[in-house]
Amino acid sequence: DTEVTQTPKHLVMGMTNKKSLKCEQHMGHRAMYWYKQKAKKPPELMFVYSYEKLSINESVPSRFSPECPNSSLLNLHLHALQPEDSALYLCASSQPGQGYGYTFGSGTRLTVV
Amino acid sequence: AQSVTQLDSQVPVFEEAPVELRCNYSSSVSVYLFWYVQYPNQGLQLLLKYLSGSTLVESINGFEAEFNKSQTSFHLRKPSVHISDTAEYFCAVSTIIVGGFKTIFGAGTRLFVKA
Repeated sequence: DTEVTQTPKHLVMGMTNKKSLKCEQHMGHRAMYWYKQKAKKPPELMFVYSYEKLSINESVPSRFSPECPNSSLLNLHLHALQPEDSALYLCASSQPGQGYGYTFGSGTRLTVV
Repeated sequence: AQSVTQLDSQVPVFEEAPVELRCNYSSSVSVYLFWYVQYPNQGLQLLLKYLSGSTLVESINGFEAEFNKSQTSFHLRKPSVHISDTAEYFCAVSTIIVGGFKTIFGAGTRLFVKA
């Protein structure tokens, strides 16, 4: 299995809702990432988990809460989002280290209304 | 700090013509460079990477990139493009930060292949 699976593919939520994005991989990768991508822009790093521990938080607002229950799963919990948080949220995985390329999921298209 | 600059935001080209997508990086230490491709409504796919060794790296679908240390460049080339190569291409560099490593992406180049 060489894929990263993200669910749901599309999500529309109100500003008072609580929702979660899910990401799963079975490649034995021990680093997992959340990226945010606005239209016509490059992906921007949000969080990095290495060996199931949060290693990097790129000053992301607390309305985004990551969770790594085990080495195959990565969640992103959303609460009280703003319309400007609407974007494509991408999950990726790799082996930990500087020289490894990432395997990306196809993303969750989030719209906040 | 490391950074990467993609010099062209859009590159239109006719089918079967050659193409070069330009990428320059800045770094004071060893670099790890990558090219990713993103098709519409999809995530990014790793196209190729340079870690060390031969300065010319190739992908399975005909793309190649050459690492040039003196010019701090990592341009992507293909001798003959297909309509299906139409996509967004991102050059990226892996950099060390507090806590570990992170990959920084360039702004992207949209390759548009015309019939």
